[in-house]
Amino acid sequence: DADVTQTPRNRITKTGKRIMLECSQTKGHDRMYWYRQDPGLGLRLIYYSFDVKDINKGEISDGYSVSRQAQAKFSLSLESAIPNQTALYFCATSDLGLAGLDEQFFGPGTRLTVL
Amino acid sequence: QKEVEQNSGPLSVPEGAIASLNCTYSDRGSQSFFWYRQYSGKSPELIMSIYSNGDKEDGRFTAQLNKASQYVSLLIRDSQPSDSATYLCAVSRSNDYKLSFGAGTTVTVRA
Repeated sequence: DADVTQTPRNRITKTGKRIMLECSQTKGHDRMYWYRQDPGLGLRLIYYSFDVKDINKGEISDGYSVSRQAQAKFSLSLESAIPNQTALYFCATSDLGLAGLDEQFFGPGTRLTVL
Repeated sequence: QKEVEQNSGPLSVPEGAIASLNCTYSDRGSQSFFWYRQYSGKSPELIMSIYSNGDKEDGRFTAQLNKASQYVSLLIRDSQPSDSATYLCAVSRSNDYKLSFGAGTTVTVRA
């Protein structure tokens, strides 16, 4: 089974709809992240959480919210979807290892289209 | 200035050649550096991490870090068609361990 799973894998929705993307992990990592990827722009951080009680905004948090339901679950919501939120969304997890390297591991992604 | 910049590419190399990818970063306090490989439509996959100046080798991959020049590179030796992908450079800031990503360099290995 995959260590990091995301649901749904693909979603088409309409402008103004509320959408939730879910991420679950079995890696036992404390840190979880949500990114979006747009062609030519690389990965941009939306929100991140270093533990269940810690939620932080990333560089592009406007229009998004998150919930850390448990160590293993981190959900991203689009309260009122708009077309420029059409993108590929990735969840990632990490744990600060002994070497001090915060290596992040990515889920398979959710392709979201907002019409 | 972007925090992390990579060669815009695309980079086309013949099979068996060396592919050289470059990345520069703006935050002099950056501590950890990563290379991810991303196949089209797939998620990024970590292939190398480095945090000390010098070279780090793993199979056909070598990462090179020069903190004084704020430069990190990835060499792919004996390039194979399966190496055709987009390579993302990522840099971890010194105070919060969040990653900043470059836009990526697309590599095509010609058979």
